[in-house]
Amino acid sequence: DVKVTQSSRYLVKRTGEKVFLECVQDMDHENMFWYRQDPGLGLRLIYFSYDVKMKEKGDIPEGYSVSREKKERFSLILESASTNQTSMYLCASSLGRTGFSQPQHFGDGTRLSIL
Amino acid sequence: GESVGLHLPTLSVQEGDNSIINCAYSNSASDYFIWYKQESGKGPQFIIDIRSNMDKRQGQRVTVLLNKTVKHLSLQIAATQPGDSAVYFCAESLSGYSTLTFGKGTMLLVSP
Repeated sequence: DVKVTQSSRYLVKRTGEKVFLECVQDMDHENMFWYRQDPGLGLRLIYFSYDVKMKEKGDIPEGYSVSREKKERFSLILESASTNQTSMYLCASSLGRTGFSQPQHFGDGTRLSIL
Repeated sequence: GESVGLHLPTLSVQEGDNSIINCAYSNSASDYFIWYKQESGKGPQFIIDIRSNMDKRQGQRVTVLLNKTVKHLSLQIAATQPGDSAVYFCAESLSGYSTLTFGKGTMLLVSP
């Protein structure tokens, strides 16, 4: 089974801090994704990556950046955290090689609160 | 914090009933569809997927039906169990190189 591990289940940070969310997958997947999930809004794509050092903006990239230095690890960075970034953050990975029309496998999320 | 299940349409069924969860998708050109289950406190879990060259696909206790004419997707769960209680949502994608677009979900509540 694919395992996608997010480093923290709960995180509390202060406004203006630089925040790092880490995600690791163990199945040699090409594609990795970061979403945020908010009540009433569903899953929204922040950034994704289809290869090491490659990154693409999703639907809501403002205020975020990402890093993929190794295939198994995809980091989400909040450059200067703001209260409207309080959310559940979900990382996912998929096999790749034939695009994105395939199942994504999710971690259990990081609930981030910005005070 | 707020549960992901708030603000969602809810389907309530009795244990043993069959459940049908519906999804209207937005893009008539989408050719890949997928259903996820999300239990409280967990990430979404893949259930079943279907491509546009099919109109039905079956898994274990689940069936997905695709009606391209009316852009409608449904997930049927046979003999629903309390453990099936969760938020279910569909996703679609267009061709091989667009990412998944997720629906907002339906909460399924199963009473013993």
